[in-house]
Amino acid sequence: SSELTQDPAVSVALGQTVKITCQGDSLRRYYASWYQQKPGQAPVLVVYGENNRPSGIPDRFSGSSSGNTASLTFTGTQAEDEADYYCSSRAGADHHVLFGGGTKLTVL
Amino acid sequence: QVQLQESGPGLVKPSQTLSLTCTVSGGSISSEGYYWSWIRQHPGKGLEWIGYISYSGNTNYNPSLESRVTMSIDTSKNQVSLKLSSVTAADTAVYYCARDRYDSGWMYYFDYWGQGTLVTVPS
Repeated sequence: SSELTQDPAVSVALGQTVKITCQGDSLRRYYASWYQQKPGQAPVLVVYGENNRPSGIPDRFSGSSSGNTASLTFTGTQAEDEADYYCSSRAGADHHVLFGGGTKLTVL
Repeated sequence: QVQLQESGPGLVKPSQTLSLTCTVSGGSISSEGYYWSWIRQHPGKGLEWIGYISYSGNTNYNPSLESRVTMSIDTSKNQVSLKLSSVTAADTAVYYCARDRYDSGWMYYFDYWGQGTLVTVPS
């Protein structure tokens, strides 16, 4: 199917590790990219490709992929990581862009 | 540092055409390896891809919006434009432009985003 599925909400205790996932058939062919969005702000790229981070993104953010599932892991989650996270990939031969529905990460 | 800035009317009447411009600074819009995308976000909802355009003018649109969308590029002004026709209240959203980078045939990502602009279509 041409969609990406994310859990709507995930919570984590401060300083702990948590993984959020993104599932979709397109991920068998295309890498996922991950975006952080805080209220009232534009999305920011945090992870792309196999496990790449743009300059300025802390190394506690990491990505991985297996089969039809891509994951974004927070190692030692900080309070400022509380945000919505979206995955994205291309889909099919038409190279249309897909976004997951987003995961709201709450840091307890 | 690449920057993108959306501009256009914040209020569009129903049935009219929404027109937005994205001005790119700090980099050439004509560089290979990039597409230029428009993405929108309905209030309190997730991200929806509208479409993208290449530096050469090739376009790719979301099938759900394709009949109403037109994108264009002006390399002399370093701008891309979006037109969405026959708008309704359902088109009320924050509209973002973003640089869509591809490093290979299977790795694509939006590395720069504009701040977004809210467009309201009254019901």
